Amino acid sequence: NAGVTQTPKFQVLKTGQSMTLQCAQDMNHNSMYWYRQDPGMGLRLIYYSASEGTTDKGEVPNGYNVSRLNKREFSLRLESAAPSQTSVYFCASSLGGGNTIYFGEGSWLTVV
Amino acid sequence: DQQVKQNSPSLSVQEGRISILNCDYTNSMFDYFLWYKKYPAEGPTFLISISSIKDKNEDGRFTVFLNKSAKHLSLHIVPSQPGDSAVYFCAASRPSRAETSGSRLTFGEGTQLTVNP
Repeated sequence: NAGVTQTPKFQVLKTGQSMTLQCAQDMNHNSMYWYRQDPGMGLRLIYYSASEGTTDKGEVPNGYNVSRLNKREFSLRLESAAPSQTSVYFCASSLGGGNTIYFGEGSWLTVV
Repeated sequence: DQQVKQNSPSLSVQEGRISILNCDYTNSMFDYFLWYKKYPAEGPTFLISISSIKDKNEDGRFTVFLNKSAKHLSLHIVPSQPGDSAVYFCAASRPSRAETSGSRLTFGEGTQLTVNP
């Protein structure tokens, strides 16, 4: 049971470099999300896709872009990485509104 | 503006005793509340939830209580076990029932629970 799968698990970037975090879910969920977790701040929503073909900003969207490639896949792109984007990133999915959200295992990103 | 707040960064209890984790919220529009558990180097996993039309929901050793007038919820774990040692996140969402509307959860900061053998 794969659930939500995200890659890469670990990445070190230099300031100004770009990269894309990939996420796929096999639960036929409509909605997908990207969160970041920082010490003492819980999880904060970066972007979400309520359904295939739509994307919306969350609490902390600056510096990120997303693409809902199809129903299964939702990627997060850092165009020009900054040290403030050092964080643990979690992809998640849910059937839709009002439903439990299921998380991937996380991607540890360090920007130096 | 922290709409969901867990005021205790950490909690330590003895095995077999009760663990009580607390969470406060400020947004009266929240109508669905969840608890997630997170082990190191893993993603959060769903534990238990409660709708605002209830004041209690129970699942095995885990019970969540909701006090809407106080905008407060708590998670009780009885009896606590060493395997329960993890970070517990409280989360809340506003009404959003359509399958195409998404579930925008607002999370608290988390409480590190340590259960000592």
